[in-house]
Amino acid sequence: AQTIHQWPVAEIKAVGSPLSLGCTIKGKSSPNLYWYWQATGGTLQQLFYSITVGQVESVVQLNLSASRPKDDQFILSTEKLLLSHSGFYLCAWSLGILSAETLYFGSGTRLTVL
Amino acid sequence: GDSVTQTEGLVTLTKGLPVMLNCTYQTTYSPFLFWYVQHLNEAPKLLLKSSTDNKRTEHQGFYATLHKSSSSFHLQKSSVQLSDSALYFCALNQGGSAKLIFGEGTKLTVSS
Repeated sequence: AQTIHQWPVAEIKAVGSPLSLGCTIKGKSSPNLYWYWQATGGTLQQLFYSITVGQVESVVQLNLSASRPKDDQFILSTEKLLLSHSGFYLCAWSLGILSAETLYFGSGTRLTVL
Repeated sequence: GDSVTQTEGLVTLTKGLPVMLNCTYQTTYSPFLFWYVQHLNEAPKLLLKSSTDNKRTEHQGFYATLHKSSSSFHLQKSSVQLSDSALYFCALNQGGSAKLIFGEGTKLTVSS
């Protein structure tokens, strides 16, 4: 069975500090990977997606970057946090294209920027 | 551009009553529609999905029918339970792309 692990579970960071969030998917080779952001009680905004190792596409510009250094790993980062970066970050995966496949979400990282 | 609209931000019901959560969409591509449910402090999970016009799809007592003529994919249940209290998102995939556009979400609160 496929599992998705996100880390850390929660972070409290200062404005201007760097950030690195990660997720690992086990039990599936070459998944499609996604990062989503959710304000408290708000909608899910797709940030990035990756179809294969080393290739990441940006969906929105939020002063964040993403990388896929390994087939099963997806990293979200920034060198300088803003207050607006606070929220819930969700990593997700799918077996194939989203029209046919379910999107499976990890348990998320709750980020508070002070 | 493509979009998803959920008109109700908050729906409050007594258990046992029926519910309908509205979802309309706009796209120039062939639409693929989804309903995801997110319980408090949990990750969203797929509830329903459809790309077939006028065909009802069901899961866990919830059902929805994609109507391309009206660009709608409303979520319904005949009798809500306390455990149905959650945030419900309608989502649109743009014709096989890697993008999934979510609506603003509808918070359903069921009381006894």
